[in-house]
Amino acid sequence: KQEVTQIPAALSVPEGENLVLNCSFTDSAIYNLQWFRQDPGKGLTSLLLIQSSQREQTSGRLNASLDKSSGRSTLYIAASQPGDSATYLCAVNDQGGKLIFGQGTELSVKP
Amino acid sequence: EPEVTQTPSHQVTQMGQEVILRCVPISNHLYFYWYRQILGQKVEFLVSFYNNEISEKSEIFDDQFSVERPDGSNFTLKIRSTKLEDSAMYFCASRAFVQFFGPGTRLTVL
Repeated sequence: KQEVTQIPAALSVPEGENLVLNCSFTDSAIYNLQWFRQDPGKGLTSLLLIQSSQREQTSGRLNASLDKSSGRSTLYIAASQPGDSATYLCAVNDQGGKLIFGQGTELSVKP
Repeated sequence: EPEVTQTPSHQVTQMGQEVILRCVPISNHLYFYWYRQILGQKVEFLVSFYNNEISEKSEIFDDQFSVERPDGSNFTLKIRSTKLEDSAMYFCASRAFVQFFGPGTRLTVL
């Protein structure tokens, strides 16, 4: 059974710092991996999707990498801003199409 | 930009009552999903729906739950007899390729 784990559970950084969020999964037979942002009490906003055949994807200040064989993904956020404060969720898409989520990393960027 | 919508945003009900949560997926999407998130816990998959039938369901999705696409645009989740532990945020998602999520319905069972 696929399990997704995110480390750390919470992270607090000063504005302007670069940071890395980690995600690991137990079964490498994934179709793709998505990173989401969730603001308190809100829905899920897709940030990046990496296909199983890809190594990384970039969008603005965000870069996500995928090492399928080792079951790991990282989300790199450059030059963090207070507006980046949110919970970041990693989810793997299994062959059946459903998403299996990690518990998230709660990020706080202090001005 | 097309988006998934959900109604109501917040539903309060008494234990044992039936609730119907509604979703309008993005119009050209063919795959539909329900997930839930109990406060402080992971987002959990409930059910996927394709071609007017359930394609996969989780252990959570027992006989108290049902899904329907009644009119070609709406996608509903019904809970027949709510329990306290059904209190959660329920998210609908649809996809052509990437899953897009709605804003969620917060269900509170008293």
